[in-house]
Amino acid sequence: QQQVKQSPQSLIVQKGGIPIINCAYENTAFDYFPWYQQFPGKGPALLIAIRPDVSEKKEGRFTISFNKSAKQFSLHIMDSQPGDSATYFCAAGGTGANNLFFGTGTRLTVIP
Amino acid sequence: NAGVTQTPKFQVLKTGQSMTLQCAQDMNHEYMSWYRQDPGMGLRLIHYSVGAGITDQGEVPNGYNVSRSTTEDFPLRLLSAAPSQTSVYFCASSYRGATTDTQYFGPGTRLTVL
Repeated sequence: QQQVKQSPQSLIVQKGGIPIINCAYENTAFDYFPWYQQFPGKGPALLIAIRPDVSEKKEGRFTISFNKSAKQFSLHIMDSQPGDSATYFCAAGGTGANNLFFGTGTRLTVIP
Repeated sequence: NAGVTQTPKFQVLKTGQSMTLQCAQDMNHEYMSWYRQDPGMGLRLIHYSVGAGITDQGEVPNGYNVSRSTTEDFPLRLLSAAPSQTSVYFCASSYRGATTDTQYFGPGTRLTVL
C-alpha cells in the first residue's frame, strides 16, 4: 500500500498565488520528510526537507509545515511564478533506514 | 563534476530480452539507488547500495539485479524483460544514505518493453 499519500493530483494557480500540496503518512518511525521538484524530462531534485523537531521550515519562497500529531506535512509556495510549474513529490523515511517512500506527485501549473 | 549520469536515455526491448542500465556518479558517494517512476505511482525503490560490494532490495526488486563493484558505478540488470517493466528508471546517489543527506538523481532512462 502507499506509504505516503499525496494530494491533490494536479493544481492550477495564477501567478502570485500560494499553492499548497499535502501529504500524510502512517509509519511513526519516519523522521525525514523531503520535497522534490521535477521538470519534464529531468530527474527529481531536492527542494526542501524537514525533520519532526520543528513544525515549519522556510527556504526562500518554499515552506514546509509539519504536524506530527496528525502525521501530515505540506508544501506552500509563496508568490508562485510560471517557472515553478513542475511536478512535486513528497517523501518520507526513517533516519538510518535506506528506503525513501514517495507520494504519487502533484502537477503544478502556474498561469502568468 | 558531471554528477549522476545514466545511459542510455531511451531503450526499446522485446519481451524476454536482457539489458543493463548504466549509472555512474563522480561525487564519491557511498549510497546509490535505483527507482522506477510510473504514472500515478510516484517513485518506487528497486535496489540500493550503501557501498562497494553491498547491495540490498528495495520496495519492488523482482525482475531486477544489481551489483556494486566500484564506488562510482551501480548498473541495473533486467534479465528477461517484461511489459510490466516499461517505466522511467532513475538512479540516485547521496553521501551516506537516502534519509541523511541530499539525494542527487540522474536524468533517467525511458524503457519500453514490447
